[in-house]
Amino acid sequence: AQTVTQSQPEMSVQEAETVTLSCTYDTSENNYYLFWYKQPPSRQMILVIRQEAYKQQNATENRFSVNFQKAAKSFSLKISDSQLGDTAMYFCAFMKHGVGKLVFGAGTILRVKS
Amino acid sequence: DAMVIQNPRYQVTQFGKPVTLSCSQTLNHNVMYWYQQKSSQAPKLLFHYYDKDFNNEADTPDNFQSRRPNTSFCFLDIRSPGLGDAAMYLCATSRRGGQQETQYFGPGTRLLVL
Repeated sequence: AQTVTQSQPEMSVQEAETVTLSCTYDTSENNYYLFWYKQPPSRQMILVIRQEAYKQQNATENRFSVNFQKAAKSFSLKISDSQLGDTAMYFCAFMKHGVGKLVFGAGTILRVKS
Repeated sequence: DAMVIQNPRYQVTQFGKPVTLSCSQTLNHNVMYWYQQKSSQAPKLLFHYYDKDFNNEADTPDNFQSRRPNTSFCFLDIRSPGLGDAAMYLCATSRRGGQQETQYFGPGTRLLVL
């Protein structure tokens, strides 16, 4: 069975600075996806970024980028130029290709301070 | 805009009184999911429909059932809500097949059981 571990329950960052959220996972699969979802206090789960395991290039979406290390089974999220609106719970998630079931980590609460 | 819609956003019910939560989508996705999320926890998958095929998670209580009358709509029925069923219920959709499967979430329905 797959597991996802987020070792940082809470993090804080100053506005405009950069922060990195950690995620590791365990799987014997070779074809899978990894995701970061953001859940603000309004509670809607929003997709931040997606990485296909077969792609070596790290995914990037504007201020959000990942560092995907397949051999190390690590998938960290870097948020550049942090904004107050980035304050949220961030979930790392794994999905085996063709199965559709998301396996979530426990989440990291990120607080951006002005 | 294509989206996942959940109604109502807030639902109050009495202990033991059946309740139905609704989800609809304009994304034309073939998979619809129901998650239960309790405070500060990761979402927990209850079940999903792949087209008309119903897939129940092994640990989903019998008290929870689902219906998908057509591609666009999916319902979560809680037959006899208990106090422990108070939670946020999230609906998500995805398109299975190809290399781009990603789940998109609705805003959630917060259920309160009195």
